[in-house]
Order: sequence, then structure tokens, then C-alpha cells
Amino acid sequence: DSGVTQTPKHLITATGQRVTLRCSPRSGDLSVYWYQQSLDQGLQFLIQYYNGEERAKGNILERFSAQQFPDLHSELNLSSLELGDSALYFCASSVASDRLYEQYFGPGTRLTVT
Amino acid sequence: AQSVTQLGSHVSVSEGALVLLRCNYSSSVPPYLFWYVQYPNQGLQLLLKYTSAATLVKGINGFEAEFKKSETSFHLTKPSAHMSDAAEYFCAVTSVGNQFYFGTGTSLTVIP
Repeated sequence: DSGVTQTPKHLITATGQRVTLRCSPRSGDLSVYWYQQSLDQGLQFLIQYYNGEERAKGNILERFSAQQFPDLHSELNLSSLELGDSALYFCASSVASDRLYEQYFGPGTRLTVT
Repeated sequence: AQSVTQLGSHVSVSEGALVLLRCNYSSSVPPYLFWYVQYPNQGLQLLLKYTSAATLVKGINGFEAEFKKSETSFHLTKPSAHMSDAAEYFCAVTSVGNQFYFGTGTSLTVIP
């Protein structure tokens, strides 16, 4: 158990809909990262937050957005969903944003868009 | 820019045989390199990491990896495969901002 929690574990929704994925980092970790894992794209970095502020963006679509709240939990919002958005979405956390610090991954949320 | 290439999307070894999973990296800054393992329907678990200290890094479950700058490689090895090692293995490199860039993964099958 990494100490990172993600909810829900599974999500099934229809095209065009909007969903919110939630991540709670390990106690004491200030930095949160979101990743998407799909069969055709592999594991891709989406976005990073540090202590409530966006720190870096990766291959995140404009239809997707995220935020980190004062209690440090983070939410990833996916809108106008397409079939291709079906994937495993992982959250990871680390103490700080510097690469010296190890990232701990949550169990993921499996999103299925039908 | 940072990237990793994992040679061989599928590797099969016999139980008790040497495991060798290959990873080559590209990095515009001195790299930090990681190997993660993913069991079916689970998240990623850190096996080991290289952060510019010793070039031979020992990790959990008997795995180790050697950083070779001249070859831009960070191959993962284990002397004797166990059935429980069957999983997906990912090599990753981090940028200065600590975003991970993952390889495409290598699926390890252990044959009894």
C-alpha cells in the first residue's frame, strides 16, 4: 500500500459526459501528479500540482483539467468524453516537486467510455 | 528532452533463469532513472532508482540495475526468476521538474 488513494476504482460512462477522478496523496506529500495509461499510448504524464499550484503540464488535452485543493487532495476532471479516453488514470504523490523525491503511485481509476 | 526506450515488449524466461530487461535513455540533463513493476490490476511499485550515486543499484525482490553512461543504459537484472516476477516492468526517467517519462513497458513471463 503506497498510501495514495484514488476514487473511484472503476468508472463507466457514456461519450460526451463529464467525470471527476479524485486522489488523496500520502500524508505529508505536497506534490501530486496525474498519469494516463492506455494500450495505444502507454503511460503518459498529464499534469503536476505542488501545494495547490500547477507546476507542469504534459500531454493533457484541453478537455481535461485538474486542481489541487488546500487539503492537498487533487481532482482530475475529464469532459466531453470520447471512446479514446478509456484508460487507467494514475495519481502519484511526492514530498516535493524536485526529482530527488520518490513518487508513490495510487492504485488507479479505470475509466471506460461507452 | 527526456525519453526511455525499452527493447522487447515481451520477455519470457524459465523459472530460475536470468532476467534481463533492457532500458536505454535519452536525457538533456543528468538523468534520474527508475524501474517500476506493475502487477495485473494494480498500481506501479518502485523496484529501484538511480539518482547519481552508486552506478549499481540494488532494489527489492532481488532486482538490480546498472547505470552505464557510456551506453545510456539502465538494464534491469535478476539472477534467478521466480514465478511471482511475472508482471509488467516500466523504465522511467525524470526531468528536472520530476515528471516521469515512461518507456512502453516489458511484459515478463516466467515459464515453470
